Amino acid sequence: EAQVTQNPRYLITVTGKKLTVTCSQNMNHEYMSWYRQDPGLGLRQIYYSMNVEVTDKGDVPEGYKVSRKEKRNFPLILESPSPNQTSLYFCASRDRDSNQPQHFGDGTRLSIL
Amino acid sequence: AQTVTQSQPEMSVQEAETVTLSCTYDTSESDYYLFWYKQPPSRQMILVIRQEAYKQQNATENRFSVNFQKAAKSFSLKISDSQLGDAAMYFCAYRSLLIIQGAQKLVFGQGTRLTINP
Repeated sequence: EAQVTQNPRYLITVTGKKLTVTCSQNMNHEYMSWYRQDPGLGLRQIYYSMNVEVTDKGDVPEGYKVSRKEKRNFPLILESPSPNQTSLYFCASRDRDSNQPQHFGDGTRLSIL
Repeated sequence: AQTVTQSQPEMSVQEAETVTLSCTYDTSESDYYLFWYKQPPSRQMILVIRQEAYKQQNATENRFSVNFQKAAKSFSLKISDSQLGDAAMYFCAYRSLLIIQGAQKLVFGQGTRLTINP
């Protein structure tokens, strides 16, 4: 089954404690991205990757890091989380063919206390 | 930069009735994609319908159809014969066709929460 898998689904942690949200896709997609969803703002792109070792900032990259060492994985790293990063996070992937839709993971609810 | 606006934070409709969700967008590009996504309480992002801007015909998927007005930059979603399972947050989204750095992201509206009254 084609899917994007995010872990964990829920996480409550404290300010400053490094955390990683993993994302893996099994569709051999080149393009992957991370979004955060906040009430009244919709979803906004944090980082994206066009292929292995090719990553770039989206609209709200401050406080986040990513890496793309393998095609299937695109982890989101919060080196020193702060309360304003409390949000719902989505990983998405898509084939390079622009005609294809995005596939989304099921979301990760992060709460930073 | 492109923007997408959903001016209705909340909508409600009686079961079996028809409801229309509004979406406007701003772009200087001539070719692009527009999408409607549904987000039920499970938080999954589910693609409802897609419209290519170069196609004049409005997209339709079963009970879901769009009214795409390119000149007015309007992209509304009509849900016919509303069902309880249609209750969700609905997001309108834009995606450029340009293959340049940063252009391939989805630009989302703020969302409209749809309630279905039995």
